[in-house]
Amino acid sequence: AQKVTQAQTEISVVEKEDVTLDCVYETRDTTYYLFWYKQPPSGELVFLIRRNSFDEQNEISGRYSWNFQKSTSSFNFTITASQVVDSAVYFCALIRGETSGSRLTFGEGTQLTVNP
Amino acid sequence: DTEVTQTPKHLVMGMTNKKSLKCEQHMGHRAMYWYKQKAKKPPELMFVYSYEKLSINESVPSRFSPECPNSSLLNLHLHALQPEDSALYLCASSQPRAGRYSPLHFGNGTRLTVT
Repeated sequence: AQKVTQAQTEISVVEKEDVTLDCVYETRDTTYYLFWYKQPPSGELVFLIRRNSFDEQNEISGRYSWNFQKSTSSFNFTITASQVVDSAVYFCALIRGETSGSRLTFGEGTQLTVNP
Repeated sequence: DTEVTQTPKHLVMGMTNKKSLKCEQHMGHRAMYWYKQKAKKPPELMFVYSYEKLSINESVPSRFSPECPNSSLLNLHLHALQPEDSALYLCASSQPRAGRYSPLHFGNGTRLTVT
């Protein structure tokens, strides 16, 4: 069975603070993909990053960085120098392996509020 | 701007009404999805179409009827819904490739209220 756990339901920070969103996953597959999505109040789910199970290199994109560790089954997301516009619900997700249409298993999401 | 367009943005319908949700994408994606999202919960998969054929139906009640008229369009026909069906309905698309998993691109969703 696939499972994604985001233990932090809500996080509140002050602008310019760094914040890390935790994601722990369970899967029996050796090949899998992990994703992070952002959902602002407008409702759209915005794709942020995809990482496959064979690539443990960390990635940085501007103020965003991701730390993938297979040994602990974690795929954590850090926002550096947070801004008010970062306020949103963030979902970590895992693919269930099929090629004809993808099944995403989502975590419960973390509501991030960045206060001015 | 999102590349997956959903209409309408908001919909209020009675339990005896028939309505349809529409989704359109022009990214050349050949997989399209319907998700349902309740407040403060993650999206739940309802249906997947791959190359215009229904490939996944997550045991969704028959009052929800999907349709994929062509590779760019996806509809969700609604009939005899219940108040608990009120939710945000999200459409998504992706490019299915053997051995790879392209990310899903989501639309802004339709907020449905059943009265």
